[in-house]
Amino acid sequence: DTGVSQDPRHKITKRGQNVTFRCDPISEHNRLYWYRQTLGQGPEFLTYFQNEAQLEKSRLLSDRFSAERPKGSFSTLEIQRTEQGDSAMYLCASRPTGTKGSGANVLTFGAGSRLTVL
Amino acid sequence: DQQVKQNSPSLSVQEGRISILNCDYTNSMFDYFLWYKKYPAEGPTFLISISSIKDKNEDGRFTVFLNKSAKHLSLHIVPSQPGDSAVYFCAARKTSYDKVIFGPGTSLSVIP
Repeated sequence: DTGVSQDPRHKITKRGQNVTFRCDPISEHNRLYWYRQTLGQGPEFLTYFQNEAQLEKSRLLSDRFSAERPKGSFSTLEIQRTEQGDSAMYLCASRPTGTKGSGANVLTFGAGSRLTVL
Repeated sequence: DQQVKQNSPSLSVQEGRISILNCDYTNSMFDYFLWYKKYPAEGPTFLISISSIKDKNEDGRFTVFLNKSAKHLSLHIVPSQPGDSAVYFCAARKTSYDKVIFGPGTSLSVIP
């Protein structure tokens, strides 16, 4: 399977606990994105990487959130001291760079990691 | 500030008829627009796109129309099929800026 993989698919945690999500992008894609989706809303941009470099972080990403992409392959999104407001679907997407035309604009998403904070 | 708006949260259409999903945007710097479809428990999947230099793009049953002066685009699905029942997200991007902005989505139900 050459799609974007996310793990775990579901995570239930208690408020105050730390959680970590993993994303494995399509292997030849060097751009990787994290989005968050809450009920009734579209995906909201959180951050993105070009290879291992984190190029932008949204103001939505508080200091409790940290994302890494060591070696430019898989990425992790960690949320420390979770709050109930963190409950959402966390989506990872990837795309290639250096592609002309529509391919440069199309993100391929994973199935997401759903977080429930009790 | 919501830069991409989808003012209809839901839409119901009879099988075989046309589905029209609408999207408005506020940022005139957007130069690429995309539609994604999302089924429950899955990530969004790319459906069709259009560059700002065009006013129409067609792919099988799906056609996207862009009206730049009105900052409006629409997705037409003809004929609609029950398998088209999903949430449809309109999205936009500036080529010089690597962030895709999504609208809140429209839930389409195609009734057999």
